[in-house]
Amino acid sequence: QVQLVESGGGLVKPGGSLRLSCAASEFNVLDKYVNWIRQAPGKGLEWLSYIGSNTRTTYYADSVRGRFTISRDIANNLVFLQMDSLRVDDTAIYYCAGGDYGIAEFWGQGSPVTVSS
Amino acid sequence: ESVLTQSPGSLSLSPGERATLSCRASQTISSSNLAWYQQKPGQAPRLLMYGVSSRATGIPGRFIGSGSGTDFTLTINRLEPEDFAVYYCQQSATSQVTFGGGTRVEIK
Repeated sequence: QVQLVESGGGLVKPGGSLRLSCAASEFNVLDKYVNWIRQAPGKGLEWLSYIGSNTRTTYYADSVRGRFTISRDIANNLVFLQMDSLRVDDTAIYYCAGGDYGIAEFWGQGSPVTVSS
Repeated sequence: ESVLTQSPGSLSLSPGERATLSCRASQTISSSNLAWYQQKPGQAPRLLMYGVSSRATGIPGRFIGSGSGTDFTLTINRLEPEDFAVYYCQQSATSQVTFGGGTRVEIK
């Protein structure tokens, strides 16, 4: 069965960086769209970025463009989210989610990120 | 960016009742680009509906999606105890994917 597993979250100081990983099994990250979506404590879902299937196309929400970078390692079936210049309001659970375009059919369990001094 | 406004913010209903959730877009959305998700406390969201009215794998028939243009509705007929959760709509009509703010369906 399809499984997406995030890792790399944790506590970081404002201005710092983290790289989240999304490891996929029974799911080819080259054939599907993979999104990063976050949820701040007690808040709703916020889409951040996706990387397109079979292309290098990437898109970002305005809130993270220029600070976050999505990429993938096809050989190891991984998708990454490099997060730089982190702010306190980036504190959230970060999910990777994949599927066909616009459809987040498969979700990971989430990786918590806390930005605090 | 297409803004999605969900209403009501919360809904208090009893098991067996019908829930009607609304999602309004700030610009016209193609039907193929509207999805709904369900999220229970402490869990990742789950895909419910895509393409407005297509149910995802394993979703029971009491969940019905409808609408077009800028107005979309998720109807849950005969609420079951496991249906009490938060529901989000999502559009992917533009490269800026967005979610609505969510509707919480609570047990009355």
